[in-house]
Amino acid sequence: DVKVTQSSRYLVKRTGEKVFLECVQDMDHENMFWYRQDPGLGLRLIYFSYDVKMKEKGDIPEGYSVSREKKERFSLILESASTNQTSMYLCASSSRGGGQLYNEQFFGPGTRLTVL
Amino acid sequence: RKEVEQDPGPFNVPEGATVAFNCTYSNSASQSFFWYRQDCRKEPKLLMSVYSSGNEDGRFTAQLNRASQYISLLIRDSKLSDSATYLCVVNRPVGGWGKLQFGAGTQVVVTP
Repeated sequence: DVKVTQSSRYLVKRTGEKVFLECVQDMDHENMFWYRQDPGLGLRLIYFSYDVKMKEKGDIPEGYSVSREKKERFSLILESASTNQTSMYLCASSSRGGGQLYNEQFFGPGTRLTVL
Repeated sequence: RKEVEQDPGPFNVPEGATVAFNCTYSNSASQSFFWYRQDCRKEPKLLMSVYSSGNEDGRFTAQLNRASQYISLLIRDSKLSDSATYLCVVNRPVGGWGKLQFGAGTQVVVTP
C-alpha cells in the first residue's frame, strides 16, 4: 500500500513563528504536492515538486516555501506564520506518467494548523 | 468564475436510491478528469477516472460531456458507506506541466 505520512495531525503556532510541515512517501514517487484545504474553497495547490531539488509554484505560494532534498521527503515551510494560514494542509504524491502530473495522487492524513 | 464548480449539496439520499450530480469546468483544453472521494476528517482518495466514452465501476458511473464542459457522477443503489464528499478534479494544462484543479466538493448523505 502507498503510504504518505505527515509529521503532525494537529499543530498550534503563534503569529510570526517559523513552521515546518514534513511529508514522507514510501512508494518512490517522483511527484509530490502540498495543498491547503479550506471550507468552500476546496484544495488549492501551494507548491509541487517533480524531482529532487526541483520545485514549482502552485496557485497560492505566497508566504510559503518548500524543500525537497530527498526523493521521499517534501517539506513545507511557513516563514512567518500568520492567522490567515490557519488551515488543513495536505501532502500528496504520485508517480510520473507520460511526463504529466495526471496519475493518481495519494494523500497523507493532513495537518490541521492553527495560527494564533 | 471558478475553474471547477460543484454544487456543495448536501444531497440527502435514501438508502438504495440513485443520486447524480455534475461538475462544470472552464478550461476547454482540459484532458483528464477524475472523481475523488473524501470522508469526513479524512484525506481524499481516488474514486475513478473519467473517460471520454463514459465508464462504470460497480455502482458508480462517470460521464464526460466535452461540448458543455461538465462531468457527472451517478451512484446507484446507494449505501450508507457512500456518505462522503465527492471532489471533481480536472487537469489544467499550464506550460509543460499539468496541474490538477480540485472542486470544493459535493456532499452526499445517505440515510437509512
